[in-house]
Amino acid sequence: EAQVTQNPRYLITVTGKKLTVTCSQNMNHEYMSWYRQDPGLGLRQIYYSMNVEVTDKGDVPEGYKVSRKEKRNFPLILESPSPNQTSLYFCASRSRGRGETQYFGPGTRLLVL
Amino acid sequence: GQSLEQPSEVTAVEGAIVQINCTYQTSGFYGLSWYQQHDGGAPTFLSYNALDGLEETGRFSSFLSRSDSYGYLLLQELQMKDSASYFCAVSLNTPLVFGKGTRLSVIA
Repeated sequence: EAQVTQNPRYLITVTGKKLTVTCSQNMNHEYMSWYRQDPGLGLRQIYYSMNVEVTDKGDVPEGYKVSRKEKRNFPLILESPSPNQTSLYFCASRSRGRGETQYFGPGTRLLVL
Repeated sequence: GQSLEQPSEVTAVEGAIVQINCTYQTSGFYGLSWYQQHDGGAPTFLSYNALDGLEETGRFSSFLSRSDSYGYLLLQELQMKDSASYFCAVSLNTPLVFGKGTRLSVIA
């Protein structure tokens, strides 16, 4: 089954404690991205990657890091989480091409105390 | 940069037709997509317009006019299960850029 997986699905942490949210896709997609979703603000892009070892900032990259060492994985790293990073996070992937469908993971709900 | 504008909320009656508009300011995009998101779920693909005109997929249709920088999603024969948020998105040579979404409430 074609899918994007994320872990963990839910996470409660404290300010300053480093965390990683994993993302993996099994569709051999070139493009992967991370979004955060907050009420009234829609889906805002954090970082994206167009292929292995190629990453770039989205609209809200501050406080986040990513890496793309393998095509299937695109982890999101919060080195020192703060309460304003409390949000719902989605990983997504799609194939290179003009009209290709973008597939989303199930989401990770993060609470930073 | 890119920006997409959608109404924040729309309410419609079960069985009726509703249109959700999307206006955009962006340069050099490939097409306009629409995604649906139910509460607690992930966005899922509905429709894509690469060319101007209407694309129909069952009860859902989507329209694009590049000259007017405008598109819309048309939902017919509304059902209660259509209550969700709907996002328009532009397709560039990167992952998609989304509007802020329109929350559709279908009432009996």
